[in-house]
Amino acid sequence: KAGVTQTPRYLIKTRGQQVTLSCSPISGHRSVSWYQQTPGQGLQFLFEYFSETQRNKGNFPGRFSGRQFSNSRSEMNVSTLELGDSALYLCASSLAYQWTGNGYTFGSGTRLTVV
Amino acid sequence: EDQVTQSPEALRLQEGESSSLNCSYTVSGLRGLFWYRQDPGKGPEFLFTLYSAGEEKEKERLKATLTKKESFLHITAPKPEDSATYLCAVQNQDQGGSEKLVFGKGTKLTVNP
Repeated sequence: KAGVTQTPRYLIKTRGQQVTLSCSPISGHRSVSWYQQTPGQGLQFLFEYFSETQRNKGNFPGRFSGRQFSNSRSEMNVSTLELGDSALYLCASSLAYQWTGNGYTFGSGTRLTVV
Repeated sequence: EDQVTQSPEALRLQEGESSSLNCSYTVSGLRGLFWYRQDPGKGPEFLFTLYSAGEEKEKERLKATLTKKESFLHITAPKPEDSATYLCAVQNQDQGGSEKLVFGKGTKLTVNP
């Protein structure tokens, strides 16, 4: 069965621009979480969506936002990009909200470079 | 503040040389501890979930154990294909009932032939 699909795989943006990243979860999975991964901070939780509602949010500024559609696909938006936003953005899906079962399934990520 | 600390940061082994990776955590309301493997340029790949102290799980050359404050990932007779970064994460529940995954920074394992 298809895994978690993230598009695009790579992006280069300039400071001040905005960017939208997309995530299609595994079929049947209803929860989507987003993470930022950097060499210095590791993986940090951004937010989790379930049934089109943001259920939980990490400690990131309001420039980071997201949404989830009725088919469980999710998008993440970053406005007014800063150099420090350069990172690998990972999406993870799970069957349900706050699911521990077999863990979360991650996509391969979107590598964002801000210049 | 919830914390997950992994050690060592990097580990080099010869093929066949067994060792252990450590994950210590200080979180409230632990719901589960996860081990993931991450290869360069890819997302983390799920390995194990552990729920309570004393629990053990095995998969091929890997064995994960859990105590009240730490988890170990034991690698027996590793092969070069086991080279990857191993991530530990805990899912905890805060006072408001919300849950999230808190990750350690990982252990980069290199197995030389």
